[in-house]
Amino acid sequence: NAGVTQTPKFQVLKTGQSMTLQCAQDMNHEYMSWYRQDPGMGLRLIHYSVGAGITDQGEVPNGYNVSRSTTEDFPLRLLSAAPSQTSVYFCASSYSPQGFRGYTFGSGTRLTVV
Amino acid sequence: QQQVKQSPQSLIVQKGGISIINCAYENTAFDYFPWYQQFPGKGPALLIAIRPDVSEKKEGRFTISFNKSAKQFSLHIMDSQPGDSATYFCAARKLGYNQGGKLIFGQGTELSVKP
Repeated sequence: NAGVTQTPKFQVLKTGQSMTLQCAQDMNHEYMSWYRQDPGMGLRLIHYSVGAGITDQGEVPNGYNVSRSTTEDFPLRLLSAAPSQTSVYFCASSYSPQGFRGYTFGSGTRLTVV
Repeated sequence: QQQVKQSPQSLIVQKGGISIINCAYENTAFDYFPWYQQFPGKGPALLIAIRPDVSEKKEGRFTISFNKSAKQFSLHIMDSQPGDSATYFCAARKLGYNQGGKLIFGQGTELSVKP
């Protein structure tokens, strides 16, 4: 039981490049979310999903895309990287409302855009 | 807009002392209030959580106090230990299935417990 697995752990991108941050969970959780963490800002929600095929925007969705084709995977795509997207990104998963016990977070991807 | 406000930003406590971190929320459409603990280089991990129909919840040395009328909740760490040194986040979950268990986080408190 690996929990929530994020890859890569570190990434450096040039401005304008695109990339996909991978997230997979093996707990059969319905809910999955992407957060970014910046100093003094806490964690801010980028996108979330309540199940396969269903996604929606969070607080800071601009510049990011998501899709959820399976229950296990929830990749985050940066379309055209900008320095403002330098951050630590966390993927998280949880059971649905009836079983909600808080999110389980991955270990994060530290992204630097130069 | 910051819907969950957390204070202080940083906190230094002596070993054996009590650490207190406060949070206030603006939106009444929250139904679950967790606290997360994060060590450097790691993802946040659920520490303790409370629902708004309860005024206090205690788990070991960790206690949440919840004041629904004031829209405030706080984390108390009794007998603080150097191993408690970490960043703590409060959060609030928005009601509704279609909210996807959305957690709104506070800004975080960096706790340092001195030996």
